[in-house]
Formats: sequence, C-alpha cells, structure tokens
Amino acid sequence: KAGVTQTPRYLIKTRGQQVTLSCSPISGHRSVSWYQQTPGQGLQFLFEYFSETQRNKGNFPGRFSGRQFSNSRSEMNVSTLELGDSALYLCASSLLGLGETQYFGPGTRLLVL
Amino acid sequence: GIQVEQSPPDLILQEGANSTLRCNFSDSVNNLQWFHQNPWGQLINLFYIPSGTKQNGRLSATTVATERYSLLYISSSQTTVSGVYFCAVSGSGGSNYKLTFGKGTLLTVNP
Repeated sequence: KAGVTQTPRYLIKTRGQQVTLSCSPISGHRSVSWYQQTPGQGLQFLFEYFSETQRNKGNFPGRFSGRQFSNSRSEMNVSTLELGDSALYLCASSLLGLGETQYFGPGTRLLVL
Repeated sequence: GIQVEQSPPDLILQEGANSTLRCNFSDSVNNLQWFHQNPWGQLINLFYIPSGTKQNGRLSATTVATERYSLLYISSSQTTVSGVYFCAVSGSGGSNYKLTFGKGTLLTVNP
C-alpha cells in the first residue's frame, strides 16, 4: 500500500496570503488529522476529520480550517498568513480514529515571508 | 487535555551504549505511540503501545498504563539511531481526544 502523501512538499508565501495544503491518506483509512510543528511550540494537534466531519479541533485561530472529501483526502487552509505560521505541517491517517496507530506523511514545509 | 512529559530532553551516548527514554502522561490513554523523526521531518512509527511490552530488533518499549508512563529502550546504539524521539498519546472523549506529543528527546550517538 502506498503511504500517506502530502502536497506540496515546500511552499513560500508572503504575509496576508492564504495557502491550501493537501493530504492523501493510506487507501481505506477514513481518519485524517493535521499537526503543526514549530521549534518553539513543538508538535501541536490542529484537527481531525472522519467521514467528512471534523471531530475535534486544537487551540488554533479560525484562520486555520480544513475539510475532508468523500474519498478521505483532506485539505487544510490557512488564511491571512502570519510570519508565525512558518512551520512543518504534518498529516496522519488511520482506519477509524486517534485511538489507533497513526501513520504520518512526509510533511509540507511552509515559509511565510 | 492530557499532559505529556518526556525525559531526558537531550541524551549523548557512545556507540554501543544502551539508553532509556521515558514518557509520563497525566490521564488514561487509548493510544500511545513512539516515533523517530528523521532529518527530513517525517515521523516514523516505532511502536503502538498503549499497554504492555513490545520489541523490534534493538528497540523495545514498555507501557505501564496504571502508573501512566512508558519507556523506550535502545540497546547497543549505533550512529544511525541518532535523532529526535517523540511520545504521543490520545485519550477518549472531549478534550482528551487528540494526539498530544511530548517535547521529544534528542538522542546523539557518537562513533
């Protein structure tokens, strides 16, 4: 089986722009979750989607949003980018949810100038 | 949400030495995983171990759920195991239903 894939792998944006990141889960997996990794805050949970529904959300402003499609692929969007949004964004997938083994993608490195 | 503490934050070893990494968590969990983050940032799953003991080559892990801690053992370390090791947990329901990571242990194995 192919692993979790994320696109793009690298991205440079300027303050005020918006960005959309994509995550394709392992075939058959219905749960997709997103994480932000920064040197200062470490790895932080953004949100989790299952069957196109958001089941939980971390402590991030409303500028961070996501969605999941019927094929389980997920996107996350960050609007009005700030310098502090520069980070590695990781997604993970599993069959049914966060109580199971999570398989992570390679991540998207976002740099906001 | 569940609090996760990892220790030590940094560990420097000579090749061939053994090491023990610890993960303490503040509430009951239904998922506990150990990851190794490679230099490119990808999280490699080492163990899914909400309770019990598992072994994989030179790596083994033990979780004592009743006492809310997990240990990752690395035996006969080689330079290739250098990197950051993370523990992550998730509970059931409410604010505990999210994968919470510790701050990691940076392991450096010198030749």
